[in-house]
Amino acid sequence: AQRVTQPEKLLSVFKGAPVELKCNYSYSGSPELFWYVQYSRQRLQLLLRHISRESIKGFTADLNKGETSFHLKKPFAQEEDSAMYYCALIAAGNQFYFGTGTSLTVIP
Amino acid sequence: GAGVSQSPSNKVTEKGKDVELRCDPISGHTALYWYRQSLGQGLEFLIYFQGNSAPDKSGLPSDRFSAERTGGSVSTLTIQRTQQEDSAVYLCASSLAVTSSAWGEQYFGPGTRLTVT
Repeated sequence: AQRVTQPEKLLSVFKGAPVELKCNYSYSGSPELFWYVQYSRQRLQLLLRHISRESIKGFTADLNKGETSFHLKKPFAQEEDSAMYYCALIAAGNQFYFGTGTSLTVIP
Repeated sequence: GAGVSQSPSNKVTEKGKDVELRCDPISGHTALYWYRQSLGQGLEFLIYFQGNSAPDKSGLPSDRFSAERTGGSVSTLTIQRTQQEDSAVYLCASSLAVTSSAWGEQYFGPGTRLTVT
């Protein structure tokens, strides 16, 4: 069963516009969720994790257990935000699941 | 080293041949992970090591896949009798430990692009 779903493979927004990358998960326990990012010609790297409740590069993500979602948001997109974004979940027993990724393009 | 390294960066092999992919983790990182990244499939978790031990090998796609880690450092992922569907980018990552919070702090290598012809 697909544990992490990212419904949008491609997402384009204009610079300065708000952006939301969707992530839904399927897990009966208490998940730990993360967002990873891969910029062009760079390695995959951690962007943020829900347990830290942090804001990184202006991005935030709130875990909504009722909707089983962990959407990534930024109020004003920048060109340098263009990248591939992966939502990830770790379940009990160290089982790891990544979504299929969303390619974000910020149009100047 | 500055980060996780993988070799080779690219590998083209004929169907049926065996391949070995190597991962050098960050010094001091006890946990090591292997993933497969296929077009349109996202990241597929394969296996992780805590030290030299792999507690769960169920993520490996088939019995043609095996992985080992020696000395708590270098790991090799071996694919026997390669098939065209094995073509993908194989990513390695390391972290300080396998705990849920530490897992989030994985450091990824550049990957090995495997093409099976």
